[in-house]
Amino acid sequence: GQQLNQSPQSMFIQEGEDVSMNCTSSSIFNTWLWYKQDPGEGPVLLIALYKAGELTSNGRLTAQFGITRKDSFLNISASIPSDVGIYFCAGRAQGGSQGNLIFGKGTKLSVKP
Amino acid sequence: AAGVIQSPRHLIKEKRETATLKCYPIPRHDTVYWYQQGPGQDPQFLISFYEKMQSDKGSIPDRFSAQQFSDYHSELNMSSLELGDSALYFCASSHRGQGAYGYTFGSGTRLTVV
Repeated sequence: GQQLNQSPQSMFIQEGEDVSMNCTSSSIFNTWLWYKQDPGEGPVLLIALYKAGELTSNGRLTAQFGITRKDSFLNISASIPSDVGIYFCAGRAQGGSQGNLIFGKGTKLSVKP
Repeated sequence: AAGVIQSPRHLIKEKRETATLKCYPIPRHDTVYWYQQGPGQDPQFLISFYEKMQSDKGSIPDRFSAQQFSDYHSELNMSSLELGDSALYFCASSHRGQGAYGYTFGSGTRLTVV
């Protein structure tokens, strides 16, 4: 089936640092979504992207829909401790169902010891 | 604002038992999705319903079944439980036409099979 490759798998952050993660696909996606999941909770939508080239911000978060429609990135600027968690990219492939999402494997953000 | 309600939050069952998970979507949402998330894994789509009819099917085992009722709540029925069924089960709901902004996840049911 279709897969999303999300990287990095994990990263450590220090407060104030900028963070970047991305997702790529071998097929074209019509929608790219970025979610954050805290332990034991459901994913919470951060940013949704619908058009190739679209660049959208939500506070300190910025995400872009790649022009090839096969990739997306999420940037977090000036990270704070509450940014810790698991970030998932998700998307709907061209020709896929209107509803169900394909998820990346997640990027786990932790605080540097 | 009302969110997606899932019950129970935690469930412990023995192998070969059955389990029923419930999902109450956000009011006026007509579509429900079920996802399974194993430990350290990404959510995997199981099945979805639109207006009480199955709309899409993913990697749902034959031992599982689901339905959406007239009040739009949905139940996921799991029989002959196996150890590998231990996971977080998420329900999400949306209103068709609202796109991803209407796609809200519940807090999940943690199923442990012993």
